[in-house]
Amino acid sequence: TQLLEQSPQFLSIQEGENLTVYCNSSSVFSSLQWYRQEPGEGPVLLVTVVTGGEVKKLKRLTFQFGDARKDSSLHITAAQPGDTGLYLCAGGGGTYKYIFGTGTRLKVLA
Amino acid sequence: DTGVSQDPRHKITKRGQNVTFRCDPISEHNRLYWYRQTLGQGPEFLTYFQNEAQLEKSRLLSDRFSAERPKGSFSTLEIQRTEQGDSAMYLCASSLAEGATHTIYFGEGSWLTVV
Repeated sequence: TQLLEQSPQFLSIQEGENLTVYCNSSSVFSSLQWYRQEPGEGPVLLVTVVTGGEVKKLKRLTFQFGDARKDSSLHITAAQPGDTGLYLCAGGGGTYKYIFGTGTRLKVLA
Repeated sequence: DTGVSQDPRHKITKRGQNVTFRCDPISEHNRLYWYRQTLGQGPEFLTYFQNEAQLEKSRLLSDRFSAERPKGSFSTLEIQRTEQGDSAMYLCASSLAEGATHTIYFGEGSWLTVV
């Protein structure tokens, strides 16, 4: 069974601080997606990474896919209260479905 | 807006009643997924359709659950004889599968509360 572990589970930081969220697995994924979810809403796609070692930037967010395609990280620079939410990683193994991580709940305090 | 849409967004039902959720995927997408999410957890895979064919059902999906996608477009998820443990958000997602890599897009979810 493929499992994705995210760390930390919870993170509360002050506005302006930097943070990194990790997504780890013992399985290899052909692609990995990051989502952000607000309470009561569905997950909203942030990025898809497909190549080992790939780095993608989305404004203040930097996503990296591990060389072995087993792990990924999300780094946020100068966090803002609007970044508050549940961050989810989801791995696709070349089949049809994505397996989701356990989630990281981020709270950015003004 | 041409995203994935789900209906109803919220449903409160008494234990033992049946409920049905509808999902309209992004129009050209051939794959449709149902996930379930409980508070504080990531979404858990329930079932998946490629066009009208249901190709996999998770063991989480008991025989009280049934999903259909009769014409390969919209899908319904029915829960019969609801139990309090069924309370969760039911998420629908769709994708256009071209090769091994594809991106799935979620709807806003249907919240179910069983009282």
